[in-house]
Amino acid sequence: RKEVEQDPGPFNVPEGATVAFNCTYSNSASQSFFWYRQDCRKEPKLLMSVYSSGNEDGRFTAQLNRASQYISLLIRDSKLSDSATYLCVVKVESGSEKLVFGKGTKLTVNP
Amino acid sequence: DGGITQSPKYLFRKEGQNVTLSCEQNLNHDAMYWYRQDPGQGLRLIYYSQIVNDFQKGDIAEGYSVSREKKESFPLTVTSAQKNPTAFYLCASSTPGDRGSYNEQFFGPGTRLTVL
Repeated sequence: RKEVEQDPGPFNVPEGATVAFNCTYSNSASQSFFWYRQDCRKEPKLLMSVYSSGNEDGRFTAQLNRASQYISLLIRDSKLSDSATYLCVVKVESGSEKLVFGKGTKLTVNP
Repeated sequence: DGGITQSPKYLFRKEGQNVTLSCEQNLNHDAMYWYRQDPGQGLRLIYYSQIVNDFQKGDIAEGYSVSREKKESFPLTVTSAQKNPTAFYLCASSTPGDRGSYNEQFFGPGTRLTVL
């Protein structure tokens, strides 16, 4: 089983749609979780950290289920500018600075 | 402005030549990282460094070398021993967190290396 697995996508949705991305991780000792966004041919940028209690930032909601080793990202009222690849990222080792990146899920929001 | 710079943005080299990619940060971050990204693939860790004069191999270190003589700088050399060097190379930095904190990484704009 890969350390971090994401929905393969791609997702094509109309403007205003709600879209959800899922991610699973294999190491139960994983401590920190993030969603990054990567635009075409650009560097990844942190979208949001994922907290145990779940967290929301505007139209974006991230949730963590430690028992199922599952992370999700929900985007409401999607905009054209949300089109990008979304990367699920996990810090898998205690005391390590290493992050493990999923392959990403590509989202295209259509007018 | 604080940030991470990588140069050059595009780099072309002939097969068999070593090439060094630059990465500089003025964020005062202790940790720095090098990743490689291939089309349709996730980022893979090449090397990382948590303090000056120390670095560790990542998952795909073969054919690469690094140095960390200064806190701000973490250059990556792609040697002729790297079998498939053409890729998008990303440098990142972060601050070591306290126990239970979050160690997000911040990325530079990347260098696209093409070996002809």
